Amino acid sequence: KAGVTQTPRYLIKTRGQQVTLSCSPISGHRSVSWYQQTPGQGLQFLFEYFSETQRNKGNFPGRFSGRQFSNSRSEMNVSTLELGDSALYLCASSFGSGRTNEQFFGPGTRLTVL
Amino acid sequence: AQTVTQSQPEMSVQEAETVTLSCTYDTSENNYYLFWYKQPPSRQMILVIRQEAYKQQNATENRFSVNFQKAAKSFSLKISDSQLGDTAMYFCAFRAYGGATNKLIFGTGTLLAVQP
Repeated sequence: KAGVTQTPRYLIKTRGQQVTLSCSPISGHRSVSWYQQTPGQGLQFLFEYFSETQRNKGNFPGRFSGRQFSNSRSEMNVSTLELGDSALYLCASSFGSGRTNEQFFGPGTRLTVL
Repeated sequence: AQTVTQSQPEMSVQEAETVTLSCTYDTSENNYYLFWYKQPPSRQMILVIRQEAYKQQNATENRFSVNFQKAAKSFSLKISDSQLGDTAMYFCAFRAYGGATNKLIFGTGTLLAVQP
């Protein structure tokens, strides 16, 4: 079974631009979560989608948005990029939720904002 | 709000020896899940071990075991017979109980280096 895939793996943008990152979960998984990883702030939760519905959101500005499609693939968008948005963006997928639910992480997208 | 604290930014251990990584957390909830994740250099994060707070027995997965002290809100990871492949960043994480969310709250991580 293929793992979680994220595209692109690396991205370089300039301030003010916008970017879209994609996450394809493991087949059959309906939940996708996104995290931002930086050296200074560590791993921070962005948002979570389950069956196309956002059911949890982290403390990030409105420039960060996401969505999930009917095939469970998810995208996140960052508008008006700032230097501080440079980070590794990780997505994690799981079958659903519940006590034995394990999340599987993708390799991440490394975003550099110049 | 829940918080997770890892007070050891870096640790080093000799191959074949045992090392313990520390994690403390804060929550007012009685039931929850705790995890240790491993992130090798330039590789994907993987789950090492999980503990459900309502279980008193400490979780064990091969060379990895935890010491879960609920009253003290402590959740340490012990790695026995350390191997070079254990070199990685280790994150302790908290998740609320129930099916409403998969949101993980992570500690800042401990970078473990296994020396030959």
